[in-house]
Amino acid sequence: GENVEQHPSTLSVQEGDSAVIKCTYSDSASNYFPWYKQELGKRPQLIIDIRSNVGEKKDQRIAVTLNKTAKHFSLHITETQPEDSAVYFCAASRGGSQGNLIFGKGTKLSVKP
Amino acid sequence: SAVISQKPSRDICQRGTSLTIQCQVDSQVTMMFWYRQQPGQSLTLIATANQGSEATYESGFVIDKFPISRPNLTFSTLTVSNMSPEDSSIYLCSVPEGTRGDGYTFGSGTRLTVV
Repeated sequence: GENVEQHPSTLSVQEGDSAVIKCTYSDSASNYFPWYKQELGKRPQLIIDIRSNVGEKKDQRIAVTLNKTAKHFSLHITETQPEDSAVYFCAASRGGSQGNLIFGKGTKLSVKP
Repeated sequence: SAVISQKPSRDICQRGTSLTIQCQVDSQVTMMFWYRQQPGQSLTLIATANQGSEATYESGFVIDKFPISRPNLTFSTLTVSNMSPEDSSIYLCSVPEGTRGDGYTFGSGTRLTVV
């Protein structure tokens, strides 16, 4: 069945450094790739997303890149801050834009001051 | 973006009982999704709730255990039936945003503990 692999499972960086989280997906029909940030005890919050007709998208310190041929996409956070510490989930749509999401297992990011 | 009201926010239940979770959306949406997040884990899709038809369940989830209702385009319920401690999880509903489904919004979640 459809699958999303996410790496690494944990990531620790110094404040100001960059963080990169990578995901691969298996469903060729996937065309929507969101990233969620989940702080402890809270709901997942959408931070950035990308569609399959775009190779890169940037929003301030956050960027996402997509390689549809290789079926992988990555989240890049620059100039990390302690408040970026959270669990990040990648996801891929199943069956089109209104399809449900298949999530990766998550990456726990710790930003040390 | 859509606003979802999910109830209850948490509950502690006895094994063998059932709990019904409600999600109310402030706009009409074609599909609603129900996810489970076990402690320290990722989100797993339970089922897709379709208005006017039966829910579509993912592998490993069955209607007898997780019956779903979708009486209209703004409301859905998920029932966790005959609960056991293994059902202790956070349950979340989710809806797509906009006509292209740009972004998915989650409810605030229901933290269920079965004792």
